[in-house]
Amino acid sequence: DTEVTQTPKHLVMGMTNKKSLKCEQHMGHRAMYWYKQKAKKPPELMFVYSYEKLSINESVPSRFSPECPNSSLLNLHLHALQPEDSALYLCASSHKTGVRSGANVLTFGAGSRLTVL
Amino acid sequence: LAKTTQPISMDSYEGQEVNITCSHNNIATNDYITWYQQFPSQGPRFIIQGYKTKVTNEVASLFIPADRKSSTLSLPRVSLSDTAVYYCLVGEGNQGGKLIFGQGTELSVKP
Repeated sequence: DTEVTQTPKHLVMGMTNKKSLKCEQHMGHRAMYWYKQKAKKPPELMFVYSYEKLSINESVPSRFSPECPNSSLLNLHLHALQPEDSALYLCASSHKTGVRSGANVLTFGAGSRLTVL
Repeated sequence: LAKTTQPISMDSYEGQEVNITCSHNNIATNDYITWYQQFPSQGPRFIIQGYKTKVTNEVASLFIPADRKSSTLSLPRVSLSDTAVYYCLVGEGNQGGKLIFGQGTELSVKP
């Protein structure tokens, strides 16, 4: 299995709703990432987990709450979002590599398209 | 983190070779250079990665000069299906490292 699977593909939610985005990989990767991408813009890094621990938080508002229950799963819990949070949310994973054999290569999922009304 | 600069857009015709250059003047000793391709409403897809000199795989070549302050992605004989956004990333080799996307180059291939 060489894929990162994200669910749901599309999500519409109101500003008072609580929802979650899910990401799963079975490649044995020990680093997992959340990126946010607005239309015609590059992906923006949100969070990085390494060995199931949060290692990077790019000053993301607390209405986004990441969770890594185990080495294969990554969730992004959403609460009290704003319309400007509407975007494509991308999950990625990467594996440990040595300097000689290559470097941190990300495998991305297809994304979850979020619309906040 | 080394910032990357790429042309915003490029046009080409089918069958031509396309070269996209990325500037990364502040690249660090431990940084690798990685290129990704992204189609609309899909996640980015890894194309090629290098540290120095030249790297070639089945889809592209990557040229990196000795000073490593720039790199050039070369796509041989492009087709319409190569129309996409191409991103150059520079970052450490450690898993879980911070990888920041630049603005990307929107390549349009015409018949």
